[in-house]
Amino acid sequence: EAGVVQSPRYKIIEKKQPVAFWCNPISGHNTLYWYLQNLGQGPELLIRYENEEAVDDSQLPKDRFSAERLKGVDSTLKIQPAELGDSAVYLCASSLIGGNEQFFGPGTRLTVL
Amino acid sequence: GENVEQHPSTLSVQEGDSAVIKCTYSDSASNYFPWYKQELGKRPQLIIDIRSNVGEKKDQRIAVTLNKTAKHFSLHITETQPEDSAVYFCAASPNNAGNMLTFGGGTRLMVKP
Repeated sequence: EAGVVQSPRYKIIEKKQPVAFWCNPISGHNTLYWYLQNLGQGPELLIRYENEEAVDDSQLPKDRFSAERLKGVDSTLKIQPAELGDSAVYLCASSLIGGNEQFFGPGTRLTVL
Repeated sequence: GENVEQHPSTLSVQEGDSAVIKCTYSDSASNYFPWYKQELGKRPQLIIDIRSNVGEKKDQRIAVTLNKTAKHFSLHITETQPEDSAVYFCAASPNNAGNMLTFGGGTRLMVKP
């Protein structure tokens, strides 16, 4: 069974440019998460979806970040415009509704120059 | 909201020794406590978890203990091996579904052969 898939794995952009990340969760997993992981720190939740509904986006900086999960399967996270401080690893995870274990993708390492 | 603190931030042990990582949490409503292991450049993976109705759980060389009164929980690794070297994250969630995780800052464990 394929795990959580993310692309791209690495992205280097200049500040003020837009960037998008894509995530395909494990088949059948209704819940999808986007996390931000700064170097040497634990993941911080940005947004959580249950099916296509964003049920927790309280930590998403909505002035520049947006996310969608239109068909309740794969998801995209966008930053526009990117700032230097956005350099981090963006992790996607998925789980079953009511399931405990979150399965993480390999992450996208973003570098903003 | 929940705040999870993790100590130490780095831990170096000799192969065969035991390692203990401690976490404290602030929200008394938290009742699910997983531990994730993240090897260098790889995705976090669940290694063990514990619920609030249990004081201790063991799986081969790893064990987790929980003190709800004191709001702290610990990861114990016995007979450490070089492949245990990684960053370990504790987390807490206020529901049994584990879909509202707050992570600690991580502990970098180095096992010296």
